Amino acid sequence: AQTVTQSQPEMSVQEAETVTLSCTYDTSESDYYLFWYKQPPSRQMILVIRQEAYKQQNATENRFSVNFQKAAKSFSLKISDSQLGDAAMYFCAYILQAGTALIFGKGTTLSVSS
Amino acid sequence: DTEVTQTPKHLVMGMTNKKSLKCEQHMGHRAMYWYKQKAKKPPELMFVYSYEKLSINESVPSRFSPECPNSSLLNLHLHALQPEDSALYLCASSQAARGFTDTQYFGPGTRLTVL
Repeated sequence: AQTVTQSQPEMSVQEAETVTLSCTYDTSESDYYLFWYKQPPSRQMILVIRQEAYKQQNATENRFSVNFQKAAKSFSLKISDSQLGDAAMYFCAYILQAGTALIFGKGTTLSVSS
Repeated sequence: DTEVTQTPKHLVMGMTNKKSLKCEQHMGHRAMYWYKQKAKKPPELMFVYSYEKLSINESVPSRFSPECPNSSLLNLHLHALQPEDSALYLCASSQAARGFTDTQYFGPGTRLTVL
């Protein structure tokens, strides 16, 4: 079965601190894309970062970076210098090929305090 | 530009009404998706149109009827819905280059309430 597990239903962080959100997945395929999406209370699903499974180098986007461990099927998200605007539900997801469903985890709700 | 637009933002309808949700993108994407999302849950795929043809229907009840008039537009026609169909309906699009994985970009969603 193709699954994504986010073991932390809720996380909290203080402004300017660093937080890491965990994600593991299960697929027998070797080619896939991994994603982190952010969904604030405004409900828009926003792409945070993308990782191609064939690339060993971890993706980074400004304050967001991933730790991709293909053998362990782990894909964690690190948010550095956290800001109040980072508060949202974060979904880890992967896709095997274009035009098919994203396989989502259940999400992690991140709260940021000042 | 990675914008997907959806109208309306909110919709309240009775169980006997007929309404439609609209989604539009001008990124040249050739795959468009409808997802249904309940509160505090991940989105669930309903339909996929690839190159304007319905390619995936995830056993969605017939009271939901998708339509793809052209490569930029995606509609979801609603008829005789049930209160349990109340949810956030998200549209997404992607390049859909055959044989390759790609990124899905989401619209802001339509919050549907069925009375």
